[in-house]
Amino acid sequence: AQSVAQPEDQVNVAEGNPLTVKCTYSVSGNPYLFWYVQYPNRGLQFLLKYITGDNLVKGSYGFEAEFNKSQTSFHLKKPSALVSDSALYFCASMNTGFQKLVFGTGTRLLVSP
Amino acid sequence: NAGVMQNPRHLVRRRGQEARLRCSPMKGHSHVYWYRQLPEEGLKFMVYLQKENIIDESGMPKERFSAEFPKEGPSILRIQQVVRGDSAAYFCASSQRLGTSGDEQYFGPGTRLTVT
Repeated sequence: AQSVAQPEDQVNVAEGNPLTVKCTYSVSGNPYLFWYVQYPNRGLQFLLKYITGDNLVKGSYGFEAEFNKSQTSFHLKKPSALVSDSALYFCASMNTGFQKLVFGTGTRLLVSP
Repeated sequence: NAGVMQNPRHLVRRRGQEARLRCSPMKGHSHVYWYRQLPEEGLKFMVYLQKENIIDESGMPKERFSAEFPKEGPSILRIQQVVRGDSAAYFCASSQRLGTSGDEQYFGPGTRLTVT
């Protein structure tokens, strides 16, 4: 069965420091992987996706993610965190040939000034 | 280009009443998805529709829930005889399928349903 795990409920980082939000997946075949961000009382905003090709994917707002097939991971990263990055981050997967997103439980990122 | 529109944003229903949630996809998008987010949980897929067709309803509860996406007008998620456990945020998303799987989905602001 397809699943996504986000092992950290919350990540705390100081402004200006690099941040990493972890995600591991379990998908048969070649996975499509996504990161979304949710601000309070808002819908999800698409950040980036991995379909195929280069393992390092660059997305919106300076975020990037690295696909690692051997570790079945797709961690979200940013070199220098901003206070405005504080939000709830969701990793999601999609099986090839399907359109259904399977989400992790989310990681709350808190960036302190 | 307006994003995905959902209304109402907040909906309060008493137990046993019906709830109707509406979703207008982004312009040019012909694929609509409904997800449910329970408090402190991630989003769970409910149903995937194209115009006048249900493509995948594997996440829909067997009873009381139905969805449609008519030729004209918004997609509707209908919950009959609501119960307290239906209280959640319901998100609609849309995508423009380019012929391959993996298209990103764009989400609306959600409808927060409260059942009293």
